[in-house]
Amino acid sequence: KNQVEQSPQSLIILEGKNCTLQCNYTVSPFSNLRWYKQDTGRGPVSLTIMTFSENTKSNGRYTATLDADTKQSSLHITASQLSDSASYICVVSPTYNNNDMRFGAGTRLTVKP
Amino acid sequence: DAMVIQNPRYQVTQFGKPVTLSCSQTLNHNVMYWYQQKSSQAPKLLFHYYDKDFNNEADTPDNFQSRRPNTSFCFLDIRSPGLGDAAMYLCATTQGEMNTEAFFGQGTRLTVV
Repeated sequence: KNQVEQSPQSLIILEGKNCTLQCNYTVSPFSNLRWYKQDTGRGPVSLTIMTFSENTKSNGRYTATLDADTKQSSLHITASQLSDSASYICVVSPTYNNNDMRFGAGTRLTVKP
Repeated sequence: DAMVIQNPRYQVTQFGKPVTLSCSQTLNHNVMYWYQQKSSQAPKLLFHYYDKDFNNEADTPDNFQSRRPNTSFCFLDIRSPGLGDAAMYLCATTQGEMNTEAFFGQGTRLTVV
């Protein structure tokens, strides 16, 4: 069973609308949580990285939140653009080791005009 | 400017014919990783180099080998590709193994015919 579960699996929204993607994890202990954006056929690009002491972090129109007590994170996208169409991947590390990153399966976001 | 560069972007190889994928980086990071990502799945770590120290994941098939001749370059060698090896191969780098940002290349899409 994957220790990082993302929802929804896919999402379609209209350009200009906001959306929120969810990530629930059972990984323990917990060191950090990252959100990546992966365009089709390309490598992941980092959006945010948060440790257990951080509960929100923003990167432009992207805002990630973290509740380490309930083991939940969300990625909020404001005023969506067509270029936001991509997969958004939640990655949790149980230790400080970067080689121990647990990947979620991603949420496929499509932004339509 | 691309900081982690993978070549080629697309590779077609014959069943059983050895193939080499290339990754280079301009970040001078000391850790380099190779991931395999199959369609609609999360990336799976194959191995990583900490400087020249090679670290293989326990379930990485022997068919996959890697070389890191210097800090900037890392190669993935697939000795006898099978149909099941068709995937996106992602290279990533970090500075240190501990809790640092990971930078991914754009990936190489491998097709086995």
